[in-house]
Amino acid sequence: GQQVMQIPQYQHVQEGEDFTTYCNSSTTLSNIQWYKQRPGGHPVFLIQLVKSGEVKKQKRLTFQFGEAKKNSSLHITATQTTDVGTYFCAEPNSGYSTLTFGKGTMLLVSP
Amino acid sequence: SQTIHQWPATLVQPVGSPLSLECTVEGTSNPNLYWYRQAAGRGLQLLFYSVGIGQISSEVPQNLSASRPQDRQFILSSKKLLLSDSGFYLCAWSVRRGGAGGYTFGSGTRLTVV
Repeated sequence: GQQVMQIPQYQHVQEGEDFTTYCNSSTTLSNIQWYKQRPGGHPVFLIQLVKSGEVKKQKRLTFQFGEAKKNSSLHITATQTTDVGTYFCAEPNSGYSTLTFGKGTMLLVSP
Repeated sequence: SQTIHQWPATLVQPVGSPLSLECTVEGTSNPNLYWYRQAAGRGLQLLFYSVGIGQISSEVPQNLSASRPQDRQFILSSKKLLLSDSGFYLCAWSVRRGGAGGYTFGSGTRLTVV
């Protein structure tokens, strides 16, 4: 079945260090989305990437879509304790009826 | 503005009891609606989705069912809960079919079956 692979599963950093999570798909994607879920909360939509090679920034967060539209990354510069949570990527399923989510990367930030 | 309401927030139910979780969306019409379950391992598993009233598609065969009796109401049910039904149940909606442009999730229901 369709799978989107997300790595790492878990990362613990010191505040101020950078963080990156990666998603890889077995298919060429029409778009890829990123969500953040704080501990105890629900996933919140961050961004959607559509174009090959696209790079978008939201303050300290940088999102990239690969040239072949099969992979994506989320990079956080100088992490803060407020960045703690699980970051998910999501891709359209083969029928474009729903989203398939990666297993997520759990980020812990120590002050 | 659009909002999504999901209740209850937490629920503890005995094995074999029925279940009814409700999700409603306000401020939009004809939303695409989704039920996901998140187990302790963090992944989001799609359970059901609906593109319109009375139209339900099931992704995973199990003892759960869903209904959409009104345009902005999505209900998740079970006649007899199993221990394995424990988890975090999330309702979501999107403007566009398939979630293009993003999902908006409700705050979720934490279900513990004992």
